[in-house]
Amino acid sequence: GIQVEQSPPDLILQEGANSTLRCNFSDSVNNLQWFHQNPWGQLINLFYIPSGTKQNGRLSATTVATERYSLLYISSSQTTDSGVYFCAVRFSGNTPLVFGKGTRLSVIA
Amino acid sequence: DTGVSQDPRHKITKRGQNVTFRCDPISEHNRLYWYRQTLGQGPEFLTYFQNEAQLEKSRLLSDRFSAERPKGSFSTLEIQRTEQGDSAMYLCASSSLEVTEAFFGQGTRLTVV
Repeated sequence: GIQVEQSPPDLILQEGANSTLRCNFSDSVNNLQWFHQNPWGQLINLFYIPSGTKQNGRLSATTVATERYSLLYISSSQTTDSGVYFCAVRFSGNTPLVFGKGTRLSVIA
Repeated sequence: DTGVSQDPRHKITKRGQNVTFRCDPISEHNRLYWYRQTLGQGPEFLTYFQNEAQLEKSRLLSDRFSAERPKGSFSTLEIQRTEQGDSAMYLCASSSLEVTEAFFGQGTRLTVV
């Protein structure tokens, strides 16, 4: 069936370290988004990236649609980066976003 | 525009009561989505609207749940005869037809006691 798998499920980093989060999906997509869920539960948009590479400050993302995966890179991590990171994909034109189970990141000082 | 707005932010209700949540999307967005998120899980799709038409409903949306978007602007999600299993974060999102990037509201956290 349609699946979105994220890895690792949990990640603990020392402040200043770099990390890579992965999202695999089971079919071709026309939308892929990365979100950061803050402690109050709101989903913050990080990237809208159905293909290609984007960068925003210390964060960057790459989606290789033909190989059905996306990567989120966090460099020089800070304690404020802690939280859950979700990948969500849209598999065809009008279907809703399907979320992975998330990666819980803890950055310790 | 202040983004997607949800009200209330928190709701505690007794089992068996009815509750209603409201979502105001980004003003020019035609599509509006409702999701539910339980602890430790990713958001799960419930239903979505394009303008005032409800185009898709998940099998998660039992007959105790109903959603409306009467004028194609704000939407309401009602849960009748609440059960403890309904306790969750209810998230609303909106997007335009041309650019399908979705933006989420702050969510409504429901606790059924």
